[in-house]
Amino acid sequence: DAGVTQSPTHLIKTRGQQVTLRCSPKSGHDTVSWYQQALGQGPQFIFQYYEEEERQRGNFPDRFSGHQFPNYSSELNVNALLLGDSALYLCASSFGGGAGDEQFFGPGTRLTVL
Amino acid sequence: TQLLEQSPQFLSIQEGENLTVYCNSSSVFSSLQWYRQEPGEGPVLLVTVVTGGEVKKLKRLTFQFGDARKDSSLHITAAQPGDTGLYLCAGGGSNYKLTFGKGTLLTVNP
Repeated sequence: DAGVTQSPTHLIKTRGQQVTLRCSPKSGHDTVSWYQQALGQGPQFIFQYYEEEERQRGNFPDRFSGHQFPNYSSELNVNALLLGDSALYLCASSFGGGAGDEQFFGPGTRLTVL
Repeated sequence: TQLLEQSPQFLSIQEGENLTVYCNSSSVFSSLQWYRQEPGEGPVLLVTVVTGGEVKKLKRLTFQFGDARKDSSLHITAAQPGDTGLYLCAGGGSNYKLTFGKGTLLTVNP
């Protein structure tokens, strides 16, 4: 049983560009949450997708957007990249998505913005 | 805004020593989770505590949730090099998001 998978593993972009990150949840899970983890920090909640809709959003600008597909996989899009967007982007899946539910994290995508 | 503060930020000890890391907040959480994250990987859930005063044991790890559900601690007995990693606490509230602390980076030297 595959766990949460993310692609790509690493990505280098320049300021102003746009990026799309992908996540496939663990089998049986219907909810995907995205987190940004800057170096030396804990993960920060970006948003959560459930039933193909954004259910909750953290304190991130509209440059960060997402999508969930009928097969529960998800994409995170970031437009107009800034240097400060350099971070590890983590996807977590769960069933139901409650904050007390167990979330399984993927290995993350390391984004570097030059 | 709910914040979780973890201490210490860094901890380097010898194999066999005991240690405690702390997670504190001014806010009440309905649940609190502890994760361990190793380099190049995502966090892995160790435990979830939901009841004030709750104590859970996982082999050499003991987790405690404060009576007021605002703080938690993780105690490791007889630490081993395999315990090395970033320990993160995360609080869950009435919404769907988890609020993470900055973590405690533990190094256990052989």
